Amino acid sequence: GAVVSQHPSRVICKSGTSVKIECRSLDFQATTMFWYRQFPKQSLMLMATSNEGSKATYEQGVEKDKFLINHASLTLSTLTVTSAHPEDSSFYICSAGAGGAQETQYFGPGTRLLVL
Amino acid sequence: AQSVAQPEDQVNVAEGNPLTVKCTYSVSGNPYLFWYVQYPNRGLQFLLKYITGDNLVKGSYGFEAEFNKSQTSFHLKKPSALVSDSALYFCAVRDMGSTGRRALTFGSGTRLQVQP
Repeated sequence: GAVVSQHPSRVICKSGTSVKIECRSLDFQATTMFWYRQFPKQSLMLMATSNEGSKATYEQGVEKDKFLINHASLTLSTLTVTSAHPEDSSFYICSAGAGGAQETQYFGPGTRLLVL
Repeated sequence: AQSVAQPEDQVNVAEGNPLTVKCTYSVSGNPYLFWYVQYPNRGLQFLLKYITGDNLVKGSYGFEAEFNKSQTSFHLKKPSALVSDSALYFCAVRDMGSTGRRALTFGSGTRLQVQP
């Protein structure tokens, strides 16, 4: 299957700082990438849909000014957690699809964020 | 709105025995259905999907799933479980009729524990 990478895999930061997470599709072009958040022992919750060259679509309850998403190319989307707080600590996972009605989404390995 | 239910938080099975992980779904149109597996601190790995056609879908690592439209179910099965199959399994759905929303809706996950 297709490969999606995420960087960094783990990050620890101080409260109030910003953290950028990269999601790359390594062997295919992704017209759309998705950002999910997963709390311990819980399912994945969609945060936003990132479309190449346009603004991201955020799910209800997700602050777009806090979770900045940029999808500047067909292989890269970034999620920036601005002014991070301890409650933002979570496992962030991206997925990418090549497009089309029957696409399979392929997931990155995830980024564990810990805000102190 | 679309939703997925995985009624079992955990499934325990002895190595060599058949396993079933249950999933039921609800969509307004026809469903695209997926199974993913997650190992600790890792992203999701794609196992299999149902789009159209044969109700029995074969996937990676010997897993298969049966689509049952009348029961709105898509249970994951394997004839002979391995200890290495122990992981967290997620069922996901996308409404085939949803032209705008391509994100997946996930179930709550089922932890599979295979005892030696």
